[in-house]
Amino acid sequence: GAGVSQSPSNKVTEKGKDVELRCDPISGHTALYWYRQSLGQGLEFLIYFQGNSAPDKSGLPSDRFSAERTGGSVSTLTIQRTQQEDSAVYLCASTSRGGYPNVETQYFGPGTRLLVL
Amino acid sequence: QKEVEQDPGPLSVPEGAIVSLNCTYSNSAFQYFMWYRQYSRKGPELLMYTYSSGNKEDGRFTAQVDKSSKYISLFIRDSQPSDSATYLCAMSHYGNNRLAFGKGNQVVVIP
Repeated sequence: GAGVSQSPSNKVTEKGKDVELRCDPISGHTALYWYRQSLGQGLEFLIYFQGNSAPDKSGLPSDRFSAERTGGSVSTLTIQRTQQEDSAVYLCASTSRGGYPNVETQYFGPGTRLLVL
Repeated sequence: QKEVEQDPGPLSVPEGAIVSLNCTYSNSAFQYFMWYRQYSRKGPELLMYTYSSGNKEDGRFTAQVDKSSKYISLFIRDSQPSDSATYLCAMSHYGNNRLAFGKGNQVVVIP
């Protein structure tokens, strides 16, 4: 079946502009995660959704970052007033439950490569 | 200090060699230990996960966890060029959903 998909695959923007990144999880997966992967920092957790709720958004680096999920499916990560340090690969992952205990495989999408000029 | 430390240096080995990768961690609450493989321009994919201290084998791959030393390892036997990828260790707490990743090791297996 189809895996996790993300769009766009690449995004180049100017400093100060807003960007929206989209994630389509595997159908039926209730849990969705956003991570950021950058050269200096590795892969960092940003936010976790269970259904449409975000019980853990502690990884969002600043209030310029926000995310929402609608219909228990598609999620959008929005970065406002982008800065050059926001340049990274933004990865989305989903699992079927995401609940307790956490031994489920997180299936990752291919990521969106964001470059802020 | 980051929760998970993985020396990010690249590693080149000849085909057939054993690849040895490791991570250390500082948070004793971590209970689940995973190794992900990431090919260039792809998302990470789960390779192995373990829960308890000890060894777990899956084909040419062996994952080792030593909770007393807060140290985990991945061994790849009879390495193949198709094993060339970045390997990331990851960990999570019991009942927690976020994964804490190491920085990854880029492995190149030379034919």
